[in-house]
Amino acid sequence: QKEVEQDPGPLSVPEGAIVSLNCTYSNSAFQYFMWYRQYSRKGPELLMYTYSSGNKEDGRFTAQVDKSSKYISLFIRDSQPSDSATYLCASRPGGGTSYGKLTFGQGTILTVHP
Amino acid sequence: EPEVTQTPSHQVTQMGQEVILRCVPISNHLYFYWYRQILGQKVEFLVSFYNNEISEKSEIFDDQFSVERPDGSNFTLKIRSTKLEDSAMYFCASNPGQGSYEQYFGPGTRLTVT
Repeated sequence: QKEVEQDPGPLSVPEGAIVSLNCTYSNSAFQYFMWYRQYSRKGPELLMYTYSSGNKEDGRFTAQVDKSSKYISLFIRDSQPSDSATYLCASRPGGGTSYGKLTFGQGTILTVHP
Repeated sequence: EPEVTQTPSHQVTQMGQEVILRCVPISNHLYFYWYRQILGQKVEFLVSFYNNEISEKSEIFDDQFSVERPDGSNFTLKIRSTKLEDSAMYFCASNPGQGSYEQYFGPGTRLTVT
């Protein structure tokens, strides 16, 4: 059973659109949820991170976690061509240590066209 | 802004050869990781390292792999006898600890085994 599932897309939207990216997870122990952006042949860049359920907003980006349904979302408002990248969701268990491994989804390829 | 650096950016080696991938984590970070991403696949956890010892390792991280922090700045991944299936992007990441759960990734080393 895949622990984190993500629709690989590709997803193509016009500039200015609201983008919704989603993941589901199966491990009930997951408590920390991250979104990374990855440009082609580059390392993942941390965008946002949330703990447990709820929303977190940072500029045009909003991360949402619903632990009851094990659903993770990232919304991008007023999308720009520079947002074109692969978006990775990642999760890790809670606990008292910081060293927990991240489990990644497959990534969704997003293209924002002018 | 501090960042994780990795060298080389691309390494080509023959099957059976040893390779060492190098990383310089963000200064003052306490937790270090290696992940890999086979082309078109998910980012996968290999190993985490804290206080000069391995904290956790995945099934992939077998006896052919080893990690070391030889001095106060470098963090290395050694593959003793490379196989064709070791061809992948290898990412180093670091985490500041002290209650922080974010992992910051380097740009990666592309390893090609021929």
